Amino acid sequence: DGGITQSPKYLFRKEGQNVTLSCEQNLNHDAMYWYRQDPGQGLRLIYYSQIVNDFQKGDIAEGYSVSREKKESFPLTVTSAQKNPTAFYLCASSSRVSGNTIYFGEGSWLTVV
Amino acid sequence: QKEVEQDPGPLSVPEGAIVSLNCTYSNSAFQYFMWYRQYSRKGPELLMYTYSSGNKEDGRFTAQVDKSSKYISLFIRDSQPSDSATYLCAMSASTQGGSEKLVFGKGTKLTVNP
Repeated sequence: DGGITQSPKYLFRKEGQNVTLSCEQNLNHDAMYWYRQDPGQGLRLIYYSQIVNDFQKGDIAEGYSVSREKKESFPLTVTSAQKNPTAFYLCASSSRVSGNTIYFGEGSWLTVV
Repeated sequence: QKEVEQDPGPLSVPEGAIVSLNCTYSNSAFQYFMWYRQYSRKGPELLMYTYSSGNKEDGRFTAQVDKSSKYISLFIRDSQPSDSATYLCAMSASTQGGSEKLVFGKGTKLTVNP
């Protein structure tokens, strides 16, 4: 089935450790995104990539890093520089063919203790 | 004024009720409008997609756009307990440049009671 797969679903890490969240899509979409969702804050864009080997900062990129070496994959690293990393992280993708409608993965819950 | 405003609720209705969910916006350039449904601890799923003004119907769901008032609505007829979720509106000005320009509302939490 076509879709966006995020892993792991739940992740616990100690403060000061880097952690990488995986995102894979088999929709053949060119663009991929990472959002962060906090209660009462809505969705906030962290990074996005419109094409392989290129990515741009979103509204809250500080403390995060990404790579886009393959069309299907867009991993997000939450570094120790991120002040408040505990959140629900959503990966998404879109295609110009579909009117740039965004499709989301199931999300990853990161808890830093 | 925020670009997109959405009442967070919570909204609680009995089963079978007609539900009206709304968003207002300030950017008159917005012309692509979407509604997403998000169940607890899940990713949002696309529910409705409309372009410019007018209505779009899909089963029990109707999306309505009033560009003159900068107001969009999602109506749910014959609401079911399975409709209990958070509903997010989203909109953009253009398909040029990609969906990084998509602006989301903060979501309205809906509970349909059996």
